[in-house]
Amino acid sequence: EAQVTQNPRYLITVTGKKLTVTCSQNMNHEYMSWYRQDPGLGLRQIYYSMNVEVTDKGDVPEGYKVSRKEKRNFPLILESPSPNQTSLYFCASSTGLAGVGLYEQYFGPGTRLTVT
Amino acid sequence: GDSVTQMEGPVTLSEEAFLTINCTYTATGYPSLFWYVQYPGEGLQLLLKATKADDKGSNKGFEATYRKETTSFHLEKGSVQVSDSAVYFCALTHSGNTPLVFGKGTRLSVIA
Repeated sequence: EAQVTQNPRYLITVTGKKLTVTCSQNMNHEYMSWYRQDPGLGLRQIYYSMNVEVTDKGDVPEGYKVSRKEKRNFPLILESPSPNQTSLYFCASSTGLAGVGLYEQYFGPGTRLTVT
Repeated sequence: GDSVTQMEGPVTLSEEAFLTINCTYTATGYPSLFWYVQYPGEGLQLLLKATKADDKGSNKGFEATYRKETTSFHLEKGSVQVSDSAVYFCALTHSGNTPLVFGKGTRLSVIA
C-alpha cells in the first residue's frame, strides 16, 4: 500500500531535549516536505527536499533541521525544542515532476508534539 | 508572494444541505489549484484538482471550477452528509517543483 508513515504519532517532551520525528514513504517520490498545522494559521511549510541531499527552507524553518540521506526518509529534527513548537506536524511526498496531474502530495497521519 | 484565502469557519449544515466553501487566490501566472480534506485524526487527502482555467475538478460529489477571471476555486456539494464533516483546505502550486500554498482551512460540521 502506498503510504507516508510518521513516528511517533504523539510525543510529549520538555524544553531543550533533542528529538527526531521520522518520515518514510514507499512511493519512490523525489519531493518530500514537512508542515506544521496550528489553529487559525493553517499549514505552513517548514522544510522541503527536491531529492536526496537537496533540502530547502520553507516558510517557518527556525528551530528545525532536516536531512535527506535516502530517497524514502526525511526526518525532522528539533535540536532544542521550545513550547512554541508545540504543534501538529505533517510529512508529505510527491513525484515532484512538472506536468499535469503530478502535483498531488500524499500526507502522513501527523505527529502531535507537545513541548512543556 | 502567492496566497490563498478561504472563508472563515466553522460551517455548520444540516444533512442534505447545499455546501459552498469560498476560495480565492493571488498568484502570478497560472497555478494549479487543489482542495484537500482532513478528516478527524487523519492527514490531508487530495479531494480534487484543476490545472487550467475553466477546468472543473470533481470527486465524491464535490466540485470546484477554476475561474481565472475571478481568481477563485469555490468548493460545492449539492447534498452534504454527516460523513463529510472535516476540515477543507484550498491550495495552489505552480508548474515545477514549487511548494503547495495552503489556505487556513474551513471546518465543516454536518448534523443529522
